[in-house]
Amino acid sequence: KQEVTQIPAALSVPEGENLVLNCSFTDSAIYNLQWFRQDPGKGLTSLLLIQSSQREQTSGRLNASLDKSSGRSTLYIAASQPGDSATYLCAVHAGKSTFGDGTTLTVKP
Amino acid sequence: GAVVSQHPSWVICKSGTSVKIECRSLDFQATTMFWYRQFPKQSLMLMATSNEGSKATYEQGVEKDKFLINHASLTLSTLTVTSAHPEDSSFYICSASRGSKNTEAFFGQGTRLTVV
Repeated sequence: KQEVTQIPAALSVPEGENLVLNCSFTDSAIYNLQWFRQDPGKGLTSLLLIQSSQREQTSGRLNASLDKSSGRSTLYIAASQPGDSATYLCAVHAGKSTFGDGTTLTVKP
Repeated sequence: GAVVSQHPSWVICKSGTSVKIECRSLDFQATTMFWYRQFPKQSLMLMATSNEGSKATYEQGVEKDKFLINHASLTLSTLTVTSAHPEDSSFYICSASRGSKNTEAFFGQGTRLTVV
């Protein structure tokens, strides 16, 4: 059974810092991995999707990497802003999606 | 990317009534749709997988008689919460894919159900 773990569970940083969110998964037989953002009481916003054959994807200040063999992914956020405050979810897809518990990020002005 | 629309975005219902949530793929044919539930402060948990024209496959612990899933067309799946109780209050979200293994799943915006 696939298990997805996200570390840390919560993170509070001052504005402007670069930060890394971690995601690990137990079964490397995945089709792709996706990072989402969820604001309180809201739905999911897809940030980045990495196919199993890819190593990383970039979008603006976000960079996600994938090491399928070791079962790890990281989401790097550069020059963090208060508007980045949200819960970040990692999901691995292999037919169905398995989500981590998320990292709740607070960026203080 | 493809668009998945979920309706309603929020609903309040009385205990004992049934509520239907719709998930539509607007610009692609979704062979497979997934339904997830998220309790407060927790992550999303898969409830069931539905393939067009066949019965849904439910995850362990999910009551199929309580959570009725219908996937009658390639663009629409519905989740009906029957005889809802306050403990069914949750955030329900669907995703849809074209079905082949490497295709991306696209997520709806979710439905917040509150049972009073």
